Amino acid sequence: EDQVTQSPEALRLQEGESSSLNCSYTVSGLRGLFWYRQDPGKGPEFLFTLYSAGEEKEKERLKATLTKKESFLHITAPKPEDSATYLCAVQTIQGAQKLVFGQGTRLTINP
Amino acid sequence: GAVVSQHPSWVICKSGTSVKIECRSLDFQATTMFWYRQFPKQSLMLMATSNEGSKATYEQGVEKDKFLINHASLTLSTLTVTSAHPEDSSFYICSARSGRHQPQHFGDGTRLSIL
Repeated sequence: EDQVTQSPEALRLQEGESSSLNCSYTVSGLRGLFWYRQDPGKGPEFLFTLYSAGEEKEKERLKATLTKKESFLHITAPKPEDSATYLCAVQTIQGAQKLVFGQGTRLTINP
Repeated sequence: GAVVSQHPSWVICKSGTSVKIECRSLDFQATTMFWYRQFPKQSLMLMATSNEGSKATYEQGVEKDKFLINHASLTLSTLTVTSAHPEDSSFYICSARSGRHQPQHFGDGTRLSIL
């Protein structure tokens, strides 16, 4: 069964304190891994797609990386507006229609 | 680009009534749309997948007759919760994508409260 596990469940940082969020996956065949940001009461906002091990994508203070077993979302010098829940999802070769989501990491950046 | 609009954003209704939620892709054609349900502090649970002009594919455990999905055009899908009851209260979110290898883009969700 395809599984996606995110850690930590929640993370509190001070403004400017860099850190990383983890997304571990077990799938039969990976087509793509997606990162989303979700603010309370809103739908997820697309951030990145990663397709193969070694790939990296960057956007402002965020950088996503991918290995054969996990992905990291690195947050550099975060600001309070980066506070949100970050969701990781995988699309498999067999189930190419669907996304399998992790439980998310609730990130809080204190000023 | 890639904007998905969902309406209404919030609805309260009495038990036994039916509620329709609309999902529109505003600036792209959506070959596939998805409907999710999300409980507080939990991740998204896929309810069904719909391709334009075809019947929706429902996930195991989702009642087809209770959650009616129509995807009549490349920019519009609707979810109708029929004979809604308090246990159907939840946050419903739609998403759309323009192609098989494209990311899903999400609407802002509909908060449904059944009294």
